[in-house]
Amino acid sequence: DQQVKQNSPSLSVQEGRISILNCDYTNSMFDYFLWYKKYPAEGPTFLISISSIKDKNEDGRFTVFLNKSAKHLSLHIVPSQPGDSAVYFCAAKRINNAGNMLTFGGGTRLMVKP
Amino acid sequence: NAGVTQTPKFQVLKTGQSMTLQCAQDMNHNSMYWYRQDPGMGLRLIYYSASEGTTDKGEVPNGYNVSRLNKREFSLRLESAAPSQTSVYFCASREVDYYGYTFGSGTRLTVV
Repeated sequence: DQQVKQNSPSLSVQEGRISILNCDYTNSMFDYFLWYKKYPAEGPTFLISISSIKDKNEDGRFTVFLNKSAKHLSLHIVPSQPGDSAVYFCAAKRINNAGNMLTFGGGTRLMVKP
Repeated sequence: NAGVTQTPKFQVLKTGQSMTLQCAQDMNHNSMYWYRQDPGMGLRLIYYSASEGTTDKGEVPNGYNVSRLNKREFSLRLESAAPSQTSVYFCASREVDYYGYTFGSGTRLTVV
């Protein structure tokens, strides 16, 4: 039973346009959310995060939106660049989690076409 | 500045063989984690160590054991490898008061 789901396995976008990656979760005890980016043959790297007390966090071309009532978050990349082509994982942390373990979604492969 | 180092990068095992995946971090992080990545499944937690001297099971611990040798090192052992353990394994560490992880570059394991 996946508590964090990324329903789109892949997404193709033209360079310069907006990329929107979506993530849904089922556990209302999640209080912190993160996005990771992964290139082939490398480990995931942290991209951006958001606390459950906020509904938006922005860092340069990357913005994460959180809709708690819908248990949905999204990552917007504007403008998209070919170097953004990678697999993106959303992750969530549960409140009162002694080990601060993260639960990951299945990933979305983003392809940005020149 | 090495971060999290995993060895080996690639390994092929025969069913029933054993091996240990090594992980070391040089960032003085307290917590360390082992995840496996399978297509469509994302990353699933195998074991974690919240601090030196402690280890706990994650979501998919069966068939694995771990050792937190010291603050720097956290190893993952497969006692009797099975084809279902074919996967990419990632080690990660986390500093206190920060929820994000730093990941190693992974070990690609194939069990035939």
